[in-house]
Amino acid sequence: SYELTQPLSVSVALGQTARITCGGNNIGSKNVHWYQQKPGQAPVLVIYRDSNRPSGIPERFSGSNSGNTATLTISRAQAGDEADYYCQVWDSSTLFGGGTKLTVL
Amino acid sequence: QVQLVQSGAEVKKPGASVKVSCKASGYTFTGYYMHWVRQAPGQGLEWMGWINPNSGGTNYAQKFQGRVTMTRDTSISTAYMELSRLRSDDTAVYYCARDPTEVGATLENWFDPWGQGTLVTVSS
Repeated sequence: SYELTQPLSVSVALGQTARITCGGNNIGSKNVHWYQQKPGQAPVLVIYRDSNRPSGIPERFSGSNSGNTATLTISRAQAGDEADYYCQVWDSSTLFGGGTKLTVL
Repeated sequence: QVQLVQSGAEVKKPGASVKVSCKASGYTFTGYYMHWVRQAPGQGLEWMGWINPNSGGTNYAQKFQGRVTMTRDTSISTAYMELSRLRSDDTAVYYCARDPTEVGATLENWFDPWGQGTLVTVSS
């Protein structure tokens, strides 16, 4: 069965750029979606179809997808970006990555 | 604005069933697919299935087939998820989430927005 691999944690200095990866076999051929989840809250969509931002999501959030890796990039990281981030694809069923905890130092 | 409001927390005994509701507002309820996703304490997200609110057609994740039933009441724009034969490892927050796909089109399989979540605790 298809699997998505995310790092357990990523740290970034305030104001710098964070990159969160999502690995999967030939993931570049799939649509990848990203969600942000803060403690005690429901997930929020931040990127859909690899690189599209829903309305209301800051331009600091961007996405890319190629080969075996999809990447969520958060520019000029803010304290409010601290959260868990999940990637998601469809491959005969809907699959989520294990999640990455982003810490802003 | 599109909003999904779920029912309150539940405590159930092993072997019982639970039914969680999700009331939609701000859009045509029968026009978009609805998914259910759960999250065990401290764990990641797990997709359970979807319902077509227009036809009532469903698609369940293999793991939950035989135990989950998704239904809807179009008169009150509400979707339901019932899970039977509960076990302790079913303890989780259960979310409904709308798919952007209009009924009749190819399913996009991403989720926006999400309901606030319903905690279901299974304990003897």
